[in-house]
Amino acid sequence: DAGVIQSPRHEVTEMGQEVTLRCKPISGHNSLFWYRQTMMRGLELLIYFNNNVPIDDSGMPEDRFSAKMPNASFSTLKIQPSEPRDSAVYFCASALSGSLSGELFFGEGSRLTVL
Amino acid sequence: GDSVTQMEGPVTLSEEAFLTINCTYTATGYPSLFWYVQYPGEGLQLLLKATKADDKGSNKGFEATYRKETTSFHLEKGSVQVSDSAVYFCALSHSGSARQLTFGSGTQLTVLP
Repeated sequence: DAGVIQSPRHEVTEMGQEVTLRCKPISGHNSLFWYRQTMMRGLELLIYFNNNVPIDDSGMPEDRFSAKMPNASFSTLKIQPSEPRDSAVYFCASALSGSLSGELFFGEGSRLTVL
Repeated sequence: GDSVTQMEGPVTLSEEAFLTINCTYTATGYPSLFWYVQYPGEGLQLLLKATKADDKGSNKGFEATYRKETTSFHLEKGSVQVSDSAVYFCALSHSGSARQLTFGSGTQLTVLP
């Protein structure tokens, strides 16, 4: 089975540019999570969706960040305009809500560098 | 709110040494507890879990016991290998339809040959 697929794996961009990160969750999973990981702040939950609906976006840093999930097999995280402090590894994870295992399945991450 | 506290890293051990990574939590009710591992350049993956008090989770030689009286879930391994070098995250969640995990800050482990 394919795991969570993220793209791009690496992105280098200049300050002010728009960045779009993409995620394909595991087929059949109905919860999707976006995390950000940095050395300073560790692992932060940005937003999560259940059945394609955003449930909690309180972790989204500011209006420059937006996330969508147009269907059950695709989500995007957009940063516009990007800033150097947005440099981080962004992880997408999916899960089957209601599952008693509580397991999240993570993608390999998108490493973003904003110059 | 819920929180997870892990021992500060980094931890450096020689191969075949005994490993303990401490984890304590604060939560209402009876959360499920997890250890996730992140190998270099990869995403996190579940290592082991325990869903109720006194449960022991185990996998790949790692063990952790859910201790409600001390609100702890320490990770142990009797003999570490170089391939165990990774970042280890303790986490908790409450059962529910939209499950969220509360992660600790992570502990970097380096095992030297």
